[in-house]
Amino acid sequence: EVQLVESGGGLVQPGGSLRLSCAASGFTFSTYSMNWVRQAPGKGLEWVSYISTTSSAIYYADSVKGRFTISRDNAKNSLYLQMNSLRAEDTAVYYCARGEVGSGQQFDYWGQGTLVTVSS
Amino acid sequence: QSVLTQPPSVSAAPGQKVTISCSGSSSNIGSNYVSWYQQLPGTAPKLLIYENNKRPSGIPDRFSGSKSGTSATLGITGLQTGDEADYYCGTWDSSLSAGVFGGGTKLTVL
Repeated sequence: EVQLVESGGGLVQPGGSLRLSCAASGFTFSTYSMNWVRQAPGKGLEWVSYISTTSSAIYYADSVKGRFTISRDNAKNSLYLQMNSLRAEDTAVYYCARGEVGSGQQFDYWGQGTLVTVSS
Repeated sequence: QSVLTQPPSVSAAPGQKVTISCSGSSSNIGSNYVSWYQQLPGTAPKLLIYENNKRPSGIPDRFSGSKSGTSATLGITGLQTGDEADYYCGTWDSSLSAGVFGGGTKLTVL
């Protein structure tokens, strides 16, 4: 069974940093591209970032470019999102999602999400 | 303001059919595949349709997708109360080099 489990969320002050993790199991992690998608409270979905299988291709939403860094460790079956210079508008549930982008978008498995709250 | 435009809400009676539209532009829907996601209250999104009209294993054929030009449509027939959820369209925007979603449509089964 495919499982994606996010962790690392919490309360952080504006300007602070946080590192999210996503532990993958039930599939060969190294053969799938991964994404982070977020959802602010009561709002819609917002794609955040994509990383290819070998980390050779990485994309970011303009809203996080220069502040967030996506990475992965295929040996540990894990996906990460380093979030720096956090702002109130970054408050959201962050989901990791398996899937490709480029000719469309196809996220076939999602984690349960981890809540990030940016507030003083 | 979302790159893709969806109606905020739709409603229909049990057993009826409903369609949800998703409008974009030549750089997103017009040149890339569209996916649809269902988000039940308090849960993570779930892939319903990919590559415009394909259903993942386990998704009933009551759900269908289509695309024409820069617009896409999700259709749901034989509505059930369990279909009440938020529905999102998504694709890739080749100009932005970014994933994009619609603002979401809340389906109410009256």
